[in-house]
Amino acid sequence: DTGVSQNPRHKITKRGQNVTFRCDPISEHNRLYWYRQTLGQGPEFLTYFQNEAQLEKSRLLSDRFSAERPKGSFSTLEIQRTEQGDSAMYLCASSLGLAGENIQYFGAGTRLSVL
Amino acid sequence: KQEVTQIPAALSVPEGENLVLNCSFTDSAIYNLQWFRQDPGKGLTSLLLIQSSQREQTSGRLNASLDKSSGRSTLYIAASQPGDSATYLCLLDSWGKLQFGAGTQVVVTP
Repeated sequence: DTGVSQNPRHKITKRGQNVTFRCDPISEHNRLYWYRQTLGQGPEFLTYFQNEAQLEKSRLLSDRFSAERPKGSFSTLEIQRTEQGDSAMYLCASSLGLAGENIQYFGAGTRLSVL
Repeated sequence: KQEVTQIPAALSVPEGENLVLNCSFTDSAIYNLQWFRQDPGKGLTSLLLIQSSQREQTSGRLNASLDKSSGRSTLYIAASQPGDSATYLCLLDSWGKLQFGAGTQVVVTP
């Protein structure tokens, strides 16, 4: 059990470029979550997957954002045509997804800076 | 829409004092509530999870209570230590609707 892994740790991009982040959950965890956190705020929920199915998606997730979990293992979060307001820490978490046992374990995050 | 509030936003206590952190919510229809700590520039570390049917959970010096009728959860940390300095966040799972509070930043002074 190596924990939740996120790559890259840091990403600097120019406005208008596309970026993609990857999250590898804890092995055998069925649920995978994406959050966004800006300085001084609590994380904001973006979306979550149960295996490969995307079950919930925040209204914060505009058309420029898309997430996938094609085989129910790792997930990617893509932001198209980045804007300066997208600068934030993007956090991924995973959980077993069983009734009564849904502790979320977080990765270290990917810090995005849009210039 | 669920509103989650953590007051105070910041707290400073001398080493050895007990910490009391609050998390208030407006909708009692929750599945569970989870407490985390976050160190500067780092991800979140899970502390305790309370199921909707539970009143409290304990782990070492930490105790978390849940009172759905009053819309409140409290995290107690006994005999605080400088290593407890961090931001503490609560996360509400309202049956798939997930919402964090803004956090309470705690400083424990030696």
